[in-house]
Amino acid sequence: GENVEQHPSTLSVQEGDSAVIKCTYSDSASNYFPWYKQELGKGPQLIIDIRSNVGEKKDQRIAVTLNKTAKHFSLHITETQPEDSAVYFCAASLGPTGNQFYFGTGTSLTVIP
Amino acid sequence: NAGVTQTPKFQVLKTGQSMTLQCAQDMNHEYMSWYRQDPGMGLRLIHYSVGAGITDQGEVPNGYNVSRSTTEDFPLRLLSAAPSQTSVYFCASSYVGQETQYFGPGTRLLVL
Repeated sequence: GENVEQHPSTLSVQEGDSAVIKCTYSDSASNYFPWYKQELGKGPQLIIDIRSNVGEKKDQRIAVTLNKTAKHFSLHITETQPEDSAVYFCAASLGPTGNQFYFGTGTSLTVIP
Repeated sequence: NAGVTQTPKFQVLKTGQSMTLQCAQDMNHEYMSWYRQDPGMGLRLIHYSVGAGITDQGEVPNGYNVSRSTTEDFPLRLLSAAPSQTSVYFCASSYVGQETQYFGPGTRLLVL
């Protein structure tokens, strides 16, 4: 099955700096890559996603890049704010049929005011 | 819409006890799934369903049963709880054919 690795496990940045979280996947058939944000005591919430036919996607301060050849994708958060502090998970999926997702182990991001 | 709801929020069980974790969604999603979240291991898929009457196993199905009698509800049953099942359990739902999943708030389970 699919194996998703995520790095780093913890990340601390100063407010206003950028944060980058990286994930690799093993199954070249995976074609959908979402990123989730999980705040303390809550369920994960989708923040951005990318499909395999796209190399980059942006949504305000958040961007995701995908390198299909190298089988890795990254989350970029610019101009970080204290409310960005949370655990971030990447995931990979073979697509809509069955909607089976394989998650990374999470990155705990702390934004220092 | 309430979205995805889960009950209870927190439960303590003794080894060997049984219980059912409830999950309901009001978005008419065909797809529902259960994950467990353990420290350092991310979320792992336990069971999933693509519609009423259809269920299948995920990565870590042992020790858990599910059924899907209605579109709205997808309960997860622990027949004989073990300490290894201490975890946080999340239910999620989505439309089949659309990958965006909506997660519930989670149930924290402690098995002594």
